[in-house]
Amino acid sequence: DQQVKQNSPSLSVQEGRISILNCDYTNSMFDYFLWYKKYPAEGPTFLISISSIKDKNEDGRFTVFLNKSAKHLSLHIVPSQPGDSAVYFCAAWKVRAAGNKLTFGGGTRVLVKP
Amino acid sequence: KAGVTQTPRYLIKTRGQQVTLSCSPISGHRSVSWYQQTPGQGLQFLFEYFSETQRNKGNFPGRFSGRQFSNSRSEMNVSTLELGDSALYLCASSLEGHNYGYTFGSGTRLTVV
Repeated sequence: DQQVKQNSPSLSVQEGRISILNCDYTNSMFDYFLWYKKYPAEGPTFLISISSIKDKNEDGRFTVFLNKSAKHLSLHIVPSQPGDSAVYFCAAWKVRAAGNKLTFGGGTRVLVKP
Repeated sequence: KAGVTQTPRYLIKTRGQQVTLSCSPISGHRSVSWYQQTPGQGLQFLFEYFSETQRNKGNFPGRFSGRQFSNSRSEMNVSTLELGDSALYLCASSLEGHNYGYTFGSGTRLTVV
């Protein structure tokens, strides 16, 4: 049961252009959605999150959009930089008394070409 | 402020052996979770511990177990290792009520031969 899906395993973009990463989910009970960035041999690092009651959150070059009716979110990186080359994971977080759990998508590998 | 520390970073074990991985969370974080990352399956939730109690569990066989100590440090154990257990094991800690998910450690790369 894959509740969070990233259908594009990879993305290649030119430096300075926009990177758009997509994520779909099936469970409407998630409270927050998060994006993590991961370099090889390192743990994921938190990038940006959005509450399920919002439709947009922006932090510097990163903007996350949430379309609840479509159960879809996207991460926009503008402008893309070579250091952004990494694997990006979308995750959904359901806050509950019985314990917290992040459900991750399969990841999208981004390559930013100089 | 120190991050999440996982030891060892790399480990090679033989099929049938058991292994114990260690995780020290960020000071003040009482929730510790474990994830397995493999190329084919992405990041899979193993379990979460809070105040020395397992609070949440993923869909892994009973060979995978864990515990948490009174200082919030956690260990996970895998018994009777199989080749398919080769993966990056990630520990993450979080502050209760925080909305930003977890802070992850760098992981332990386990190779089963």
